[in-house]
Amino acid sequence: EAGVAQSPRYKIIEKRQSVAFWCNPISGHATLYWYQQILGQGPKLLIQFQNNGVVDDSQLPKDRFSAERLKGVDSTLKIQPAKLEDSAVYLCASSSRGWGETQYFGPGTRLLVL
Amino acid sequence: KNEVEQSPQNLTAQEGEFITINCSYSVGISALHWLQQHPGGGIVSLFMLSSGKKKHGRLIATINIQEKHSSLHITASHPRDSAVYICAVSGDSNYQLIWGAGTKLIIKP
Repeated sequence: EAGVAQSPRYKIIEKRQSVAFWCNPISGHATLYWYQQILGQGPKLLIQFQNNGVVDDSQLPKDRFSAERLKGVDSTLKIQPAKLEDSAVYLCASSSRGWGETQYFGPGTRLLVL
Repeated sequence: KNEVEQSPQNLTAQEGEFITINCSYSVGISALHWLQQHPGGGIVSLFMLSSGKKKHGRLIATINIQEKHSSLHITASHPRDSAVYICAVSGDSNYQLIWGAGTKLIIKP
């Protein structure tokens, strides 16, 4: 089966610009996660969707980050405006149901904010 | 103190050696995950376990719920095993994943 797809793989922007990332989970997976992984640290959960509803967005900086999962399939994560500290790898993962289930990760989008 | 502790932080070994990476946690869990991250790559889920032992190829994962400890073993290690190995636990209350800091493994030919 096809894995989790993400695009773009790399993005370089200047601070205060906006950027969007796209994720296509494994077909049939109800749960989708966005993580932020800063160099040298473990991933931090930004937002979790169950179908097209938000389950947990407690660590999402809502003043600049937004995410949506229209139709409960693909998802986009947007940053507007970007800050230097947003430089990180943004990982998308999906699982068939939810927590405790194996999560399948995409290759990630590496963002560099200059 | 972190809720999930891994040791060692870094490990360098020769090809063929038996590798052990340890993970201790201090919270109640519903499951423990071992994941692998290659440089510049995404994260691959290796195991999810809540009791006992699982084996896949040269990889073995064990968990002792009473001692709140898990180990990941690699037999007959190979340079392609070089990666960061991450332990993460699903809490038994809010089910959020709590991540360890990872163990960077380098296998030399």
